[in-house]
Amino acid sequence: NAGVMQNPRHLVRRRGQEARLRCSPMKGHSHVYWYRQLPEEGLKFMVYLQKENIIDESGMPKERFSAEFPKEGPSILRIQQVVRGDSAAYFCASSISTGGTTNTEAFFGQGTRLTVV
Amino acid sequence: KQEVTQIPAALSVPEGENLVLNCSFTDSAIYNLQWFRQDPGKGLTSLLLIQSSQREQTSGRLNASLDKSSGRSTLYIAASQPGDSATYLCAVPTFFGNEKLTFGTGTRLTIIP
Repeated sequence: NAGVMQNPRHLVRRRGQEARLRCSPMKGHSHVYWYRQLPEEGLKFMVYLQKENIIDESGMPKERFSAEFPKEGPSILRIQQVVRGDSAAYFCASSISTGGTTNTEAFFGQGTRLTVV
Repeated sequence: KQEVTQIPAALSVPEGENLVLNCSFTDSAIYNLQWFRQDPGKGLTSLLLIQSSQREQTSGRLNASLDKSSGRSTLYIAASQPGDSATYLCAVPTFFGNEKLTFGTGTRLTIIP
């Protein structure tokens, strides 16, 4: 059972270009979370998705950022017109269920390190 | 708003020593707490998850405790090894029923051979 897979591992974009980050959750997991880790800062929640639904996007910047988790295929975090301040490590996590009394351990991918030049 | 604090921010100890990492959180209404390890330039590895009904969890040389009422958790590492050098993060769900996590800023651990 492969873990959470993110690609690419490293991504370099020029200012103004688009960045697309992909995340395939663990097999059997239907909940995906995206986090951002800015240099020398902690991880901050961005968005929580289930298949074809955005559940919570309270941590997403209002402009230029979007996320999806289609019925088929990986979850995509899309950053339009990137700026230098978008340079960070973007992590995806997945879990098998949400809330209640079940084990809701989150498993993280290796991250995508975005550098905007 | 949940806030998670980890002290100390950095810790260096000689190989073989036992050590304790601390995590505190402001809202005790959590239903689990998770400890992670992050190596430089790498992703997060889940170490231990403690459900709110539990007081501790053990995995090998690691033991994590949880005291919800006081808003504290500790990660105990026995007989430390150089390979334990990493940043250790604790995280709690932001609120019940939603698993988005609030992370502490981490403790950077260095084990001196």
